[in-house]
Amino acid sequence: LAKTTQPISMDSYEGQEVNITCSHNNIATNDYITWYQQFPSQGPRFIIQGYKTKVTNEVASLFIPADRKSSTLSLPRVSLSDTAVYYCLVGEGKNTGFQKLVFGTGTRLLVSP
Amino acid sequence: ETGVTQTPRHLVMGMTNKKSLKCEQHLGHNAMYWYKQSAKKPLELMFVYSLEERVENNSVPSRFSPECPNSSHLFLHLHTLQPEDSALYLCASSQEEASGLRNEQFFGPGTRLTVL
Repeated sequence: LAKTTQPISMDSYEGQEVNITCSHNNIATNDYITWYQQFPSQGPRFIIQGYKTKVTNEVASLFIPADRKSSTLSLPRVSLSDTAVYYCLVGEGKNTGFQKLVFGTGTRLLVSP
Repeated sequence: ETGVTQTPRHLVMGMTNKKSLKCEQHLGHNAMYWYKQSAKKPLELMFVYSLEERVENNSVPSRFSPECPNSSHLFLHLHTLQPEDSALYLCASSQEEASGLRNEQFFGPGTRLTVL
């Protein structure tokens, strides 16, 4: 079973756009791709979710290619408070319903002044 | 405040102890989850309960025993744990649709467990 992988860490400066990619080449055909943010000593918090193409909300955009084997979380104009670990979450396998849920390996984003 | 609470927030136990972790969700959701988060590892799904029935059990050792008495409460009973079980244990809930498509999960703050 292929892992759901992400870059270990990324560095950025305030005001820049940050793009974090997740590779999930065993994603279930009927499952969403979801991204979460986690601060130290807290549980993950939902950022955005999509199935295909592009989704945008008030905090981020999510780009999903046609084959859905990867996804890119885009954070526009990051601030210091965006320093956190970012995880993608997908269901893997072929079964419907509660497929095997797999979190990505996580990307630690550090935003500097 | 996510609407999911966990107690205790911190727990230290010996390998021969028996303890329980508690999770409560105030969101009216129909699915609840236990995850394990170890240092330098991704979150690992342990158990899923949907409508109070266990629907997922990812080969978790029997020293971890979940219980879901109703849709708002979830327990994780611990006995004869090993030091490598030390981790952050996270509870989450979501509202699952009949279609099977997954809605966002709401996580509690976690219980930091240390096994001596």
